[in-house]
Amino acid sequence: QVQLAESGGGVVQPGRSLRLACAASGFTFSKFDMHWVRQAPGKGLEWVAVVSSGGDTRFYADSVKGRFTISRDNSKSTLFLQMNSLTVEDTAVYYCAKRYGSGWNLDYWGQGTLVTVSS
Amino acid sequence: QSALTQPASVSGSPGQSVTISCTGSNSDVGRYNYVSWYQHHPGKAPKLIIYDVNYRPSGVSDRFSGSKSGITASLTVSGLQAEDEANYYCSSYTSSASLVFGGGTKLTVL
Repeated sequence: QVQLAESGGGVVQPGRSLRLACAASGFTFSKFDMHWVRQAPGKGLEWVAVVSSGGDTRFYADSVKGRFTISRDNSKSTLFLQMNSLTVEDTAVYYCAKRYGSGWNLDYWGQGTLVTVSS
Repeated sequence: QSALTQPASVSGSPGQSVTISCTGSNSDVGRYNYVSWYQHHPGKAPKLIIYDVNYRPSGVSDRFSGSKSGITASLTVSGLQAEDEANYYCSSYTSSASLVFGGGTKLTVL
C-alpha cells in the first residue's frame, strides 16, 4: 500500500534552516508529481510547493518563494523540502502528498512532521 | 493568491444532508474544473474525497458529492453519520500554477 513518511521536523531558531524528507513506498515514485502542504497551529491547510515527476519543474507558494526549495531523489523514492531563512510564520505541520489524476489532486498524504520556529 | 472562502462551520443531524460552499474567483474555481475536497480528522492525514469537481476516488462513499457553478463549488454530504464529523477543505488549481485551499469548514454531527 502507498505510504508516505515525513521526517526532519523539530525546533529551530528564526533565520536558521531545516531540511525535511518524505520517504515514499508502495507506488512508482518516479511517475508522480509530489507536493508539500502545511498547516499552522489552529489554521487551515496551505499549499507550499510541487515538483514534477522528473524533478525538472517546480512551483512555489508566494509565501515561501526564494526561501524554500523542493527536490526529489527518484533513485531513493524520497522527496525533500529545504527551508531557509525560517520565520515564526513557518511554524506548522508539514505534509508531503502525492498527485492524483490530471488536476492537482492529492490522493495520499503522510502523517506530517512538526516544524516549530522559535527563539 | 487568496484562500478560497468556506463557511467556518456547518452542522446537521444523523441522516440529514449538509452542503459546504467554496467560493473562489475567475482565476481558480471559475476557470478550471480542478476542484478537490478533503476530509481531515485532527491528528490524521487528510483524505481526498472529491476530485475534478465531482469525481469520487475509489473507496469513497457515494454519500459525498461535488458540484460547481461559476466561481462557487459545493460539497454535499448526505445521510450524515457520526464519522463524518471532521474538517473539510476545498482546493483549486490556479492560473498562477499554484494550488489554493479554502479556510476549512468544521462539520458537526448533532
